[in-house]
Amino acid sequence: EADIYQTPRYLVIGTGKKITLECSQTMGHDKMYWYQQDPGMELHLIHYSYGVNSTEKGDLSSESTVSRIRTEHFPLTLESARPSHTSQYLCASSRGGWGPATNEKLFFGSGTQLSVL
Amino acid sequence: GESVGLHLPTLSVQEGDNSIINCAYSNSASDYFIWYKQESGKGPQFIIDIRSNMDKRQGQRVTVLLNKTVKHLSLQIAATQPGDSAVYFCAENMETSYDKVIFGPGTSLSVIP
Repeated sequence: EADIYQTPRYLVIGTGKKITLECSQTMGHDKMYWYQQDPGMELHLIHYSYGVNSTEKGDLSSESTVSRIRTEHFPLTLESARPSHTSQYLCASSRGGWGPATNEKLFFGSGTQLSVL
Repeated sequence: GESVGLHLPTLSVQEGDNSIINCAYSNSASDYFIWYKQESGKGPQFIIDIRSNMDKRQGQRVTVLLNKTVKHLSLQIAATQPGDSAVYFCAENMETSYDKVIFGPGTSLSVIP
């Protein structure tokens, strides 16, 4: 069982609200990721982090921002939510390393299902 | 462009039969491939992985086959059970970007009791 937690599980909010999706892991993993997933569709990487104070944008453009002040915590923030942000947001982490043959599997949280009205 | 994709979006299998889920990838430089299982309401879970220096890897009831010549990956599930019903994603780690895992669109597996 993966020790990575996301809160809230479900969130319904109105347009224009600022929200923060929480993600924490207790595995001591350096690498953390945020994916966006629409129903029945593939996962799209929106943000990732190599470690504390490191954040990078992923392949899918997103209006969200992230921070990595502590190893175990990787919150995602939407300053002004819109209906187009309605989706499932999945947080993941991996041990990883650098260079060939150091790729590691991802551990996922259960996701936050966001609905913006 | 570079992508990972699946041949079949849905698959229905009789309980007890073997299941085969296929995946095509386009980046011949990818060196690490993973299969994930996602049950309803949950995040994806790791099933099995394989590196590009291997053609086959076996786990418990699952086997992954890698054919680098045609850039094809498959997941075989033996004696499929109702608990195997889920969406299965193949994913690749691009050799040029170790931190990015690219997911395919997923195959929904339904097991008929």
